[in-house]
Amino acid sequence: EPEVTQTPSHQVTQMGQEVILRCVPISNHLYFYWYRQILGQKVEFLVSFYNNEISEKSEIFDDQFSVERPDGSNFTLKIRSTKLEDSAMYFCAGGTGSFQPQHFGDGTRLSIL
Amino acid sequence: DAKTTQPPSMDCAEGRAANLPCNHSTISGNEYVYWYRQIHSQGPQYIIHGLKNNETNEMASLIITEDRKSSTLILPHATLRDTAVYYCIVNGGTSYGKLTFGQGTILTVHP
Repeated sequence: EPEVTQTPSHQVTQMGQEVILRCVPISNHLYFYWYRQILGQKVEFLVSFYNNEISEKSEIFDDQFSVERPDGSNFTLKIRSTKLEDSAMYFCAGGTGSFQPQHFGDGTRLSIL
Repeated sequence: DAKTTQPPSMDCAEGRAANLPCNHSTISGNEYVYWYRQIHSQGPQYIIHGLKNNETNEMASLIITEDRKSSTLILPHATLRDTAVYYCIVNGGTSYGKLTFGQGTILTVHP
């Protein structure tokens, strides 16, 4: 069964550095999402992306965050200048419709030092 | 999106049915009920969803009350691998598919 794949599985970065998290959704997905989960806390929505533009974003998704799907396959989340509080698991998800089930990757653990 | 209420934890014996309840009394007519689960720190896994009819797939059954204010996820023969956090999420209306996760129910399946 096709899977959503995320790379890297673990990223360690110095505070203030830029980081790019990558996701390869399932090929027939049209809607793409990023969520994050701080250790011991709830899964939180960051952003949804459809038709090559952001359709919805949360308060967490400030100017330091950006998303793009440059080549029609990879879906990336960029954090421009990381902060300690950005340390979390970041999950990518995709779906075929806005109210169809979302399929999640296994996440990237981001550790900011 | 409507808010959901779930018990924080439940236990189940291996091989028995696990019945996980969820209240969503403020659900609106075009909102679906979704169930996901998360094993350890893996990505959430979709289980099942429904609008108003009961649904069944290879993983589980979903029973939605007639007034749609509550639902029950049924794992018919729970195994140790079903130990996970189970999330009931209501999604629909004007959102673009955003899922709002609560704390969920920690289901522990015992041998």
